[in-house]
Amino acid sequence: GAGVSQSPSNKVTEKGKDVELRCDPISGHTALYWYRQSLGQGLEFLIYFQGNSAPDKSGLPSDRFSAERTGGSVSTLTIQRTQQEDSAVYLCASTTYLRDEQYFGPGTRLTVT
Amino acid sequence: AQSVTQLGSHVSVSEGALVLLRCNYSSSVPPYLFWYVQYPNQGLQLLLKYTSAATLVKGINGFEAEFKKSETSFHLTKPSAHMSDAAEYFCAVSETGGFKTIFGAGTRLFVKA
Repeated sequence: GAGVSQSPSNKVTEKGKDVELRCDPISGHTALYWYRQSLGQGLEFLIYFQGNSAPDKSGLPSDRFSAERTGGSVSTLTIQRTQQEDSAVYLCASTTYLRDEQYFGPGTRLTVT
Repeated sequence: AQSVTQLGSHVSVSEGALVLLRCNYSSSVPPYLFWYVQYPNQGLQLLLKYTSAATLVKGINGFEAEFKKSETSFHLTKPSAHMSDAAEYFCAVSETGGFKTIFGAGTRLFVKA
């Protein structure tokens, strides 16, 4: 079946602009995660959704970052007033059980110029 | 609190040689443990997972890992490296009752001809 998809695959934006990153999880997966991977770094947890709820937003780096999930499916990560330090690959993953293996999308590479 | 330490950000082996990637974890409760692989410009893919069954876990592409509670380790091995194994490898841990999976910083594996 179809895996996790993310769009766009690449995004170049100017500093100060807003961007939206989209994630389509595997159908039926109730949990969805967002991570940030900076060059040469591991995965930084941003936020997770159980259904449409986000019980823990503590990983979001600043109030410029927000995320939502609608219909228990598609999720959007929004970064307002982008800064150069926001440049990274943003990965989305979904799973059926919170503790279990996660299925990752290919990521969105964000470059802020 | 749970944490993961991967020893060595870079490991280089010759084709046909043993691959050993080290992972130590910290967890206050029995953990689930994972190894993921990331090929260039792709998301992460599960190699194998430990979920409190057999301590020696076999995964895809000839990889295996052994859970050693006394050493709090979950090292990844492969008897004979192949050029196609060149990638970044991440160890991860999740806890009972938790929602978050903690990823190590990653180890980049280089395979020399």
